[in-house]
Amino acid sequence: QKEVEQDPGPLSVPEGAIVSLNCTYSNSAFQYFMWYRQYSRKGPELLMYTYSSGNKEDGRFTAQVDKSSKYISLFIRDSQPSDSATYLCATLNSGYSTLTFGKGTMLLVSP
Amino acid sequence: DTAVSQTPKYLVTQMGNDKSIKCEQNLGHDTMYWYKQDSKKFLKIMFSYNNKELIINETVPNRFSPKSPDKAHLNLHINSLELGDSAVYFCASSQDVNSPLHFGNGTRLTVT
Repeated sequence: QKEVEQDPGPLSVPEGAIVSLNCTYSNSAFQYFMWYRQYSRKGPELLMYTYSSGNKEDGRFTAQVDKSSKYISLFIRDSQPSDSATYLCATLNSGYSTLTFGKGTMLLVSP
Repeated sequence: DTAVSQTPKYLVTQMGNDKSIKCEQNLGHDTMYWYKQDSKKFLKIMFSYNNKELIINETVPNRFSPKSPDKAHLNLHINSLELGDSAVYFCASSQDVNSPLHFGNGTRLTVT
């Protein structure tokens, strides 16, 4: 079992839709959870950073972590064509500097 | 102002050659990394340096040698390039080992 699993997509939605992107992880030692957005031919860009379980909101983006089920979600409200990108979830152990990435989900938002 | 910058952006070379990729960060971060992203977009850690000291060295062929002249720079030298080395190489930095990473825009290496 891979440490971080993520559906590769592509996930196609119309503009304005609510998008739900999900990851599962296997290592209960992971304490930090991140979502990155990667546009084609660009580096990953940090979107959300959370510690432990719960929700965190930033504009149209909400990150949700459920440590009991080892499940991470990213919700995008009022999705825009400019949100079309690959979304990578990532997890980190405390004091251990290797960030473990999922393989990314490609999102396509059509106008 | 680019926070993490890598050069070159594209690198096309033949098998057996030696090449280097340079990385610089102006964020004042203590930790720097090299990641490899393969054709399936999977990002995998190669090396991590904290204050110029190597702290992570994943299972990477010893043809790959990172060098950190100071904590703002982390270069990657690759000897005897092979076809399988073709990938996008990303440099990243973080404030410390528990902080999120900030990535450069990658170096697309093609070995022919």
